[in-house]
Amino acid sequence: GDSVTQTEGQVTVSESKSLIINCTYSTTSIAYPNLFWYVRYPGEGLQLLLKVITAGQKGSSRGFEATYNKETTSFHLQKASVQESDSAVYYCALGSLNTGANTGKLTFGHGTILRVHP
Amino acid sequence: EAGVTQSPRYAVLQEGQAVSFWCDPISGHDTLYWYQQPRDQGPQLLVYFRDEAVIDNSQLPSDRFSAVRPKGTNSTLKIQSAKQGDTATYLCASSFSRQGYNYAEQFFGPGTRLTVL
Repeated sequence: GDSVTQTEGQVTVSESKSLIINCTYSTTSIAYPNLFWYVRYPGEGLQLLLKVITAGQKGSSRGFEATYNKETTSFHLQKASVQESDSAVYYCALGSLNTGANTGKLTFGHGTILRVHP
Repeated sequence: EAGVTQSPRYAVLQEGQAVSFWCDPISGHDTLYWYQQPRDQGPQLLVYFRDEAVIDNSQLPSDRFSAVRPKGTNSTLKIQSAKQGDTATYLCASSFSRQGYNYAEQFFGPGTRLTVL
């Protein structure tokens, strides 16, 4: 089956410093799945931050970037300079495939709590 | 435009009691998902519908959980005889998938936080 691993349960960063949140995935499909980052800000619902549907491509949104690396099966989330308003829970997710076609099903990692302090 | 709405927002039960969760997706969205999110874990798909048809319910504990979407709009998820292990947040999401799932973004509701004592 499919799985997504986020190694850090919590990350604390000072404002204006750089950030990386690690994500690796595993899939039994021979095709390349879509990859996503979702975010839940305090008091809000889960929302899409960025997605990449082509292996090797980079997605970006709100200053965050993630590159789909099919060799290392990774999709790490990075930001050059974080702000206090980036404090949230970040989830990496994979779109499951069946015979190469996107099924619409998402498999999520456990999430990483990001705390940015001034 | 209204987002995905869910009710109730919170529920507290004793083991053995039943509970129903209700979801109203974004108008026009054909696909509706139910996820279970235990504390400190990511959402885990339970079941999803395309219009009124169940597409995949392989992760739904069928002995106690049931889900319906009779008119292809609102949906209800029900737990018969809840267990402490059902304690989690239950999320509903919807998407417009007619152009293919590659282009379908899932929009999530605020969730229902269930505690089973």
